[in-house]
Amino acid sequence: GENVEQHPSTLSVQEGDSAVIKCTYSDSASNYFPWYKQELGKRPQLIIDIRSNVGEKKDQRIAVTLNKTAKHFSLHITETQPEDSAVYFCAPEGGYQKVTFGTGTKLQVIP
Amino acid sequence: GAGVSQSPRYKVAKRGQDVALRCDPISGHVSLFWYQQALGQGPEFLTYFQNEAQLDKSGLPSDRFFAERPEGSVSTLKIQRTQQEDSAVYLCASSLLRVQGYNEQFFGPGTRLTVL
Repeated sequence: GENVEQHPSTLSVQEGDSAVIKCTYSDSASNYFPWYKQELGKRPQLIIDIRSNVGEKKDQRIAVTLNKTAKHFSLHITETQPEDSAVYFCAPEGGYQKVTFGTGTKLQVIP
Repeated sequence: GAGVSQSPRYKVAKRGQDVALRCDPISGHVSLFWYQQALGQGPEFLTYFQNEAQLDKSGLPSDRFFAERPEGSVSTLKIQRTQQEDSAVYLCASSLLRVQGYNEQFFGPGTRLTVL
């Protein structure tokens, strides 16, 4: 099956700084690359996604970049705020439409 | 409209007991997924339905786990003879249409199962 890894597993940044989380995957057939945010005790929620025919997508302070050749995609959060503190999961959709969640990155934004 | 709902929100079972977890997807959503999320881990895929058809059950950890969606809407995940290692949050998600390359999933709040 798909092997999905996220780095780093934990990340602490000062409020206002940027945060970058990287996700690597193994299935070259993957063609949909979402990022989910999960706050403590709550459900995962989609924050941004990208399809395989696009290299970058931005939505206000959040952006996702995709490198299909190297099989990785990254989440970029600029001007971080305390409410960005959560666990972030990548969940690439591979061949046969199989979704595999990454191991998660715990982001802490220090006020 | 209403989002994905799950019931019960919390379930405590004695080891060996059978449990049934319910998921009500968003109305009109064709695809339905079940995930198991252990503490501190990411959701692990269990099974996937398209309407009433169970197209993928490769993630079910054992034959004690069984899922159904008989009318293509509500789904039930059943766990027989529960074991302590079954303790986790069980998440249900639905998506509008199973289209290659775009499948935003909407998650329910989860059912936290504790097996004593």
